Amino acid sequence: EAGVVQSPRYKIIEKKQPVAFWCNPISGHNTLYWYLQNLGQGPELLIRYENEEAVDDSQLPKDRFSAERLKGVDSTLKIQPAELGDSAVYLCASSLGRAEAFFGQGTRLTVV
Amino acid sequence: RKEVEQDPGPFNVPEGATVAFNCTYSNSASQSFFWYRQDCRKEPKLLMSVYSSGNEDGRFTAQLNRASQYISLLIRDSKLSDSATYLCVVNKGNTPLVFGKGTRLSVIA
Repeated sequence: EAGVVQSPRYKIIEKKQPVAFWCNPISGHNTLYWYLQNLGQGPELLIRYENEEAVDDSQLPKDRFSAERLKGVDSTLKIQPAELGDSAVYLCASSLGRAEAFFGQGTRLTVV
Repeated sequence: RKEVEQDPGPFNVPEGATVAFNCTYSNSASQSFFWYRQDCRKEPKLLMSVYSSGNEDGRFTAQLNRASQYISLLIRDSKLSDSATYLCVVNKGNTPLVFGKGTRLSVIA
């Protein structure tokens, strides 16, 4: 069974440019998470979806970040415009309801 | 107080040693508890769930103390391959998983 798939794996952009990350969760998983992880820190939640509905987005910086999960399957996270401080690993995870979450390999973003 | 707190380490132990990590959580209504393992530059992976009665998986033992709001992970007979960061994870009902910062373990030959 395929795991959570994220792309791209790495992205280098100049500040003020837009960037988008894509995630395809495990088939059948209704819950999808986007986490941000800085070096030496644990993952921090940005947004959680239950099917196509964003049910927890209080930590998402809405002035520059947006996300969507059309049709309740794959999801896109966008940053526009990117800032230097956005450099981090962006992790997507999925779960079936309240069960444990499975993570994708992440997208390592570097803003220069 | 952070929701989930862990000693960041690093814990440097020789092969064959027993090592224990503790984690405290602030929300007394928390219901689910997990330990995840994260290798350098990799994604977190579930190591084990933590049950109220405590549970064991090979060399790994997890304990939960609800009264004191802490979770522990014990690793016996440490292997070089156990070197990683161990993340304590907590959630309450239908809420997102909350991660600690992780505890770094280095097992030395």
